[in-house]
Amino acid sequence: EADIYQTPRYLVIGTGKKITLECSQTMGHDKMYWYQQDPGMELHLIHYSYGVNSTEKGDLSSESTVSRIRTEHFPLTLESARPSHTSQYLCASSPSQGRHSSYNEQFFGPGTRLTVL
Amino acid sequence: KNQVEQSPQSLIILEGKNCTLQCNYTVSPFSNLRWYKQDTGRGPVSLTIMTFSENTKSNGRYTATLDADTKQSSLHITASQLSDSASYICVVSDRGSTLGRLYFGRGTQLTVWP
Repeated sequence: EADIYQTPRYLVIGTGKKITLECSQTMGHDKMYWYQQDPGMELHLIHYSYGVNSTEKGDLSSESTVSRIRTEHFPLTLESARPSHTSQYLCASSPSQGRHSSYNEQFFGPGTRLTVL
Repeated sequence: KNQVEQSPQSLIILEGKNCTLQCNYTVSPFSNLRWYKQDTGRGPVSLTIMTFSENTKSNGRYTATLDADTKQSSLHITASQLSDSASYICVVSDRGSTLGRLYFGRGTQLTVWP
């Protein structure tokens, strides 16, 4: 069982609100990722980080932003939520060293299901 | 274009029966292929990982095969249990980038009935 946590697990919010989805891992992994997943669809990478103070946009264009001030923490922020942001958001991490690094083994959190009304 | 295609999209079987899920990919250059199990409302959990040189790997009742020549993989589940009900996702990693980009299939939704 991977030690990666996401809060909240479920969030229902009104249009225009600012929200932050939290992601923390206690494994000391350098790399962290945010994915977006709609029902029955594949995961899409929206942000990733190689380490502290490193953030990059992923394949899927997203209006969200991320920060990486500490190794263990990778929050995702939406400044003004819209109904089109309704989705499941999954955070993952992977090590840069060790036996899992050669496979780019990613460990996933439980996800946050966001509903914007 | 790098893609991962899975079939069937959904599958219903009775408890105790076996089943096989399929994955075809076009990702190149290939690094490894993994199968994840994703329970409803949860994050994916890795079942098996196979590199180019491996053609079969087991994890309990789960057995994955890989044919790197035809770019096909399968996941065989034996003696299914109710707890096997989940989405099974095929994921292929390339070795053409520092990030080790992952390409995800849409998953096969497996339902096991008693």
